[in-house]
Amino acid sequence: AQSVSQHNHHVILSEAASLELGCNYSYGGTVNLFWYVQYPGQHLQLLLKYFSGDPLVKGIKGFEAEFIKSKFSFNLRKPSVQWSDTAEYFCAVGRYSGYSTLTFGKGTMLLVSP
Amino acid sequence: DAGVIQSPRHEVTEMGQEVTLRCKPISGHNSLFWYRQTMMRGLELLIYFNNNVPIDDSGMPEDRFSAKMPNASFSTLKIQPSEPRDSAVYFCASSLAQGEGQPQHFGDGTRLSIL
Repeated sequence: AQSVSQHNHHVILSEAASLELGCNYSYGGTVNLFWYVQYPGQHLQLLLKYFSGDPLVKGIKGFEAEFIKSKFSFNLRKPSVQWSDTAEYFCAVGRYSGYSTLTFGKGTMLLVSP
Repeated sequence: DAGVIQSPRHEVTEMGQEVTLRCKPISGHNSLFWYRQTMMRGLELLIYFNNNVPIDDSGMPEDRFSAKMPNASFSTLKIQPSEPRDSAVYFCASSLAQGEGQPQHFGDGTRLSIL
């Protein structure tokens, strides 16, 4: 069975600091990788995804993630965070076997102080 | 475009009562997923459907939980009888089934409180 591990449960940063959220997965087959964001009181929204091609993926709101196959990692980065980035971030691994399903990590709560 | 629509947004009821959560997926999406989110366990997949057929319900916690998808535009998740430990946010998501890299689109969730 596949699993997703997010290294930090809570991260606190000041505005303009750089962000890197870790994500590791365990699955031997071909994977699709996603980062979702959940703003307070809202539903999950797709930030970015990877399923082939350039391992450096750019998403919305200045976020990017790098797929490193040898490390089974898909870390999320942003050079300079804003107060509005305060949210919970979920890494997810997708498996396609006729149907697409996702396994989510436990999430990382990011608090950005102004 | 309308996204995934869930109702109700909030539900507060006493233990032992029947609870029905509703979901309308995005038109044209043929996969539908029900998730439960709690502080302790994070986001858990309960069940998913493809073309209205349940594919995997191994995440459904107990027989008290049941889900149906009578047509392509409607699904329900029912808890009977409800218990306080069922309190959580329940999300519905939909996606296209075919092809790799299909993201799931989430509804706003139903915040369920069982007293």
